[in-house]
This record gives sequence, structure tokens and C-alpha cells, in this order.
Amino acid sequence: DTAVSQTPKYLVTQMGNDKSIKCEQNLGHDTMYWYKQDSKKFLKIMFSYNNKELIINETVPNRFSPKSPDKAHLNLHINSLELGDSAVYFCASSQGPVGVLTFGPGTRLTVT
Amino acid sequence: AQTVTQSQPEMSVQEAETVTLSCTYDTSESDYYLFWYKQPPSRQMILVIRQEAYKQQNATENRFSVNFQKAAKSFSLKISDSQLGDAAMYFCAYRSRPSGAGSYQLTFGKGTKLSVIP
Repeated sequence: DTAVSQTPKYLVTQMGNDKSIKCEQNLGHDTMYWYKQDSKKFLKIMFSYNNKELIINETVPNRFSPKSPDKAHLNLHINSLELGDSAVYFCASSQGPVGVLTFGPGTRLTVT
Repeated sequence: AQTVTQSQPEMSVQEAETVTLSCTYDTSESDYYLFWYKQPPSRQMILVIRQEAYKQQNATENRFSVNFQKAAKSFSLKISDSQLGDAAMYFCAYRSRPSGAGSYQLTFGKGTKLSVIP
């Protein structure tokens, strides 16, 4: 009965590879997010979707592409991975902008 | 753009004692939400407490309470009767009320690492 799940939880890959992180929520929320937490623990929003519509697209390299096939899923695809992409990526969801965010467990991405 | 500042990178507290974590923010908006999130070593982000700016009464959740000073743009978290399980990173966060794209994102401070001494 996990509320927001992410797969995988850990991802180790080499520079130049393409990888995807999947996120699913079973809370019935209509808004989903991707946040990035860097090595200094700083959290910053990357993308926000409301009813599958992209609301926020922060200054993120074009190599990052979110896809929301339906309201319960928001996946993150990363092309041509770089060392600087190493971080923890959190998916979250809420009911509209008013709702409290529920975070997933995070995906630790390590690029070697 | 809104900014959130946590001036204490690290703090420690003796078990059963009280500790206060500081947070200030900068905004030109009059209506917004403020949050404290906890991130234990498991890295799961857990909501501790939420405050709506239009409410003058300070929010409380069991041992956790806030001191919200709207004019001073200050939002501190007090943890009473500290327990070993309170050891974690604590993040202060700001969110606009629904009025555009800004309401769809949390702006986080850089966090305060809290250690609890047995």
C-alpha cells in the first residue's frame, strides 16, 4: 500500500548512458513532481505536472525529459548521463497546488 | 523569487531537551504556506508540520510546534522532549497559495542537521 513509489531505488551507470526512473502514486492525486537533491542535500524542483499537463519546467538540461502517461505516473528519462547528474531524485504528488506533498523514497543515481 | 534561509547547518540537543531550528524567508506575497520536512538517514522526506500564512495561530503537532512571525518572515521549529528518532535533516519550505505556477513548487532551505545526544 505504498503511496508514492519509485523504481529503481538505486541506479549506478556510466557516463553517456540513457536511463529512466519511474514513479507511481496510488493516492488519487492530480499533481506530480520531480525534485533533485544534490550532494549537499539541497532540494530543487525540476518539473511539475497537473493532470498530465506540464506546469513547471525549471532550468534543467534538455537531456532530462519527463513523461506523464496518466495522472498516476510520472517518469523521468535522462539522456547522455553526466557525472554531475549524480544525485537523489525524488518524485512527489499532491492534490492540486493546495495539497500537501507526499514524497517517494527517492532514487539515488550514481554516474561513473 | 522566494528564498528560504536556514542559518544553522548543524545543531545538537540532549535527549529529552528542547531545541529550536531557525528559518527565515523572503517573499512579496501575503498568502502562502510554510512547512517543515524531516529527512532521516533513510532519506524519506516526511512532513513534520504545516502553517498557513493567513492563520495567526501557531501550528502544533504533538512535540513539534512553530513560532510563525509573519512580519519578521520567520518560521522556527521547536522540538520538545527530543528523542533519538528526531535525529535527521530538517528542511524549511515555502509554497505560494494557488495563483499560478509558483503554487506548484516548494522552495526549500538548505537544511539543518539535527543530532540527538543520548
